[in-house]
Amino acid sequence: DIQMTQSPSSLSASVGDRVAITCRAGQSISSYLNWFQQKPGKAPKLLIYAASSLQSEVPPRFSGSGSGTDFTLTISSLQPEDFATYFCQQSYSSPYTFGQGTKLEIK
Amino acid sequence: EVQLLESGGGLVQPGGSLRLSCAASGFTFSGYAMSWVRQAPGKGLEWVSGVSASGGSTYYADSVKGRFTISRDNSKNMLFLQMNSLRAGDTALYYCVKGTTINTDWGQGTLVTVSS
Repeated sequence: DIQMTQSPSSLSASVGDRVAITCRAGQSISSYLNWFQQKPGKAPKLLIYAASSLQSEVPPRFSGSGSGTDFTLTISSLQPEDFATYFCQQSYSSPYTFGQGTKLEIK
Repeated sequence: EVQLLESGGGLVQPGGSLRLSCAASGFTFSGYAMSWVRQAPGKGLEWVSGVSASGGSTYYADSVKGRFTISRDNSKNMLFLQMNSLRAGDTALYYCVKGTTINTDWGQGTLVTVSS
């Protein structure tokens, strides 16, 4: 199974900040990497697929980059509704493993 | 609008069985692979199982292989997860998800609690 490791596990930031969350795969996964946002009590929401493709209706302040083993989710200017937990997931090979999550909190 | 409505969760004793169902609507169900993803209370996401659009190919996490069986009925737009030999570690909210490699839509989940 491909292990996915996110960093940091938690992050405190302020509205308007630029933040980056990283995800590292245990082996090369090309660009088969998705990012999800989850708010308390809600189902996850797909933000980015194929490492850098923005899902429909997701604000352009979200962007993804990377290939191979190292990936980054960047939020260019944090908004109040962005405080949530973020997960990466590899879609290169089954089982399609997730990272452990990064909790983004208000500073 | 895509809708995925899970059912079948509940409290079951260790070693018991449950069958989860997911009723899909708002898209051409037979044209999409489907998945189950679970989340233990306060924990992260774990991909559990996937099935191809036709139902001919199935995929499982090592943690459930041999105990869980995914299936679908394209005539009824339904996805299923048969869970046998349940363990305390299977306690989680189980989500029905459209897709396997790109999970665009998620249900609200059905809670499975394995406890004596």
